[in-house]
Amino acid sequence: ETGVTQTPRHLVMGMTNKKSLKCEQHLGHNAMYWYKQSAKKPLELMFVYSLEERVENNSVPSRFSPECPNSSHLFLHLHTLQPEDSALYLCASSQDAGTNEKLFFGSGTQLSVL
Amino acid sequence: GIQVEQSPPDLILQEGANSTLRCNFSDSVNNLQWFHQNPWGQLINLFYIPSGTKQNGRLSATTVATERYSLLYISSSQTTDSGVYFCAVPMNRDDKIIFGKGTRLHILP
Repeated sequence: ETGVTQTPRHLVMGMTNKKSLKCEQHLGHNAMYWYKQSAKKPLELMFVYSLEERVENNSVPSRFSPECPNSSHLFLHLHTLQPEDSALYLCASSQDAGTNEKLFFGSGTQLSVL
Repeated sequence: GIQVEQSPPDLILQEGANSTLRCNFSDSVNNLQWFHQNPWGQLINLFYIPSGTKQNGRLSATTVATERYSLLYISSSQTTDSGVYFCAVPMNRDDKIIFGKGTRLHILP
């Protein structure tokens, strides 16, 4: 148990659907992240939030829309996705934003786009 | 940008064996993290080790920052050690953390 919880664990959606991924951290951290992990590729940073403000948007297509209502919760809203968006989506948190911070990850949401 | 290379890419061992995983990076870094991803996708932070040696049970890690590498040692392997091991370092110019491609470890019972 890392203190970071993601739901759902698995999600299958069609290209015209709208769905949301949820992440909650119980560590009192100030920064939260979305990462994408595709087969045979390294983890890719998508978004960084620090104290509920987005501080990094790593050239992610607009069909992925993050939301951070408070420092404990992070959402990733999905719409009109493509099959190549199928991947494991991982949420992480750290005490503060920055590259010297220790990262804590959730279990991920395995997304399949049909 | 900084390059992170991990070796070997795959490793199959019998339960009880010892192993050494390596992470090379192309530029100086001021921290390095090792993670274990279990077969169900969960990533666990094993070590935060900018330099020197740390030990946690059967696992230990050593980072030699001046020579741009880090090693993760696993002793007396257990089947629960199976999974993928990643190292991650900061990309100083872009203020992001970069992950290697990982070493996939399979421990046979």
